[in-house]
Amino acid sequence: NAGVTQTPKFQVLKTGQSMTLQCAQDMNHNSMYWYRQDPGMGLRLIYYSASEGTTDKGEVPNGYNVSRLNKREFSLRLESAAPSQTSVYFCASTGQGRYEQYFGPGTRLTVT
Amino acid sequence: SQQGEEDPQALSIQEGENATMNCSYKTSINNLQWYRQNSGRGLVHLILIRSNEREKHSGRLRVTLDTSKKSSSLLITASRAADTASYFCASSGGSNYKLTFGKGTLLTVNP
Repeated sequence: NAGVTQTPKFQVLKTGQSMTLQCAQDMNHNSMYWYRQDPGMGLRLIYYSASEGTTDKGEVPNGYNVSRLNKREFSLRLESAAPSQTSVYFCASTGQGRYEQYFGPGTRLTVT
Repeated sequence: SQQGEEDPQALSIQEGENATMNCSYKTSINNLQWYRQNSGRGLVHLILIRSNEREKHSGRLRVTLDTSKKSSSLLITASRAADTASYFCASSGGSNYKLTFGKGTLLTVNP
């Protein structure tokens, strides 16, 4: 099992460009999450999907959109990137009735 | 807003010593978890303690929970250089399995 995979690992964007971060899990987990991690800020929840077909806003959703494509995949889209979105983005998943989350390796995004 | 706050922000010890990290949270919880993050990597789940538990052990890890003080501590005994990482507490208070993370403690274990 690969667990949680994220692509790309690194990305540099110019202000105003768009991109989609991809996340997939092969553990048959119901819930998936997107976080951003900034220095000294811990992890902050952007969006989450409790189950296939549902998505909800987290703590910092502005400037982002998500799609739960199927049970395996949960993508995060930046429509018009801003320097404030420079961060490391983590995807995570958790199984039915479970609380512990499994994390991907992260995507390091720089917006210039 | 961030619910968990770890203390200290950074901790440096020698191999073989014990490391204690503390976490405080603001609202009632179902459970509290601790995660480890090695530099440049994703987070790894270490241990979960439920709100009706006071202490839990897993290998060299000991976690305590005091719901009256809204605080938890993580003790790593007989630390090793490989324990060098950031440690985060994360609390869950609802039925939607969302976690609220603290800002983390950076632990450095010197050989």
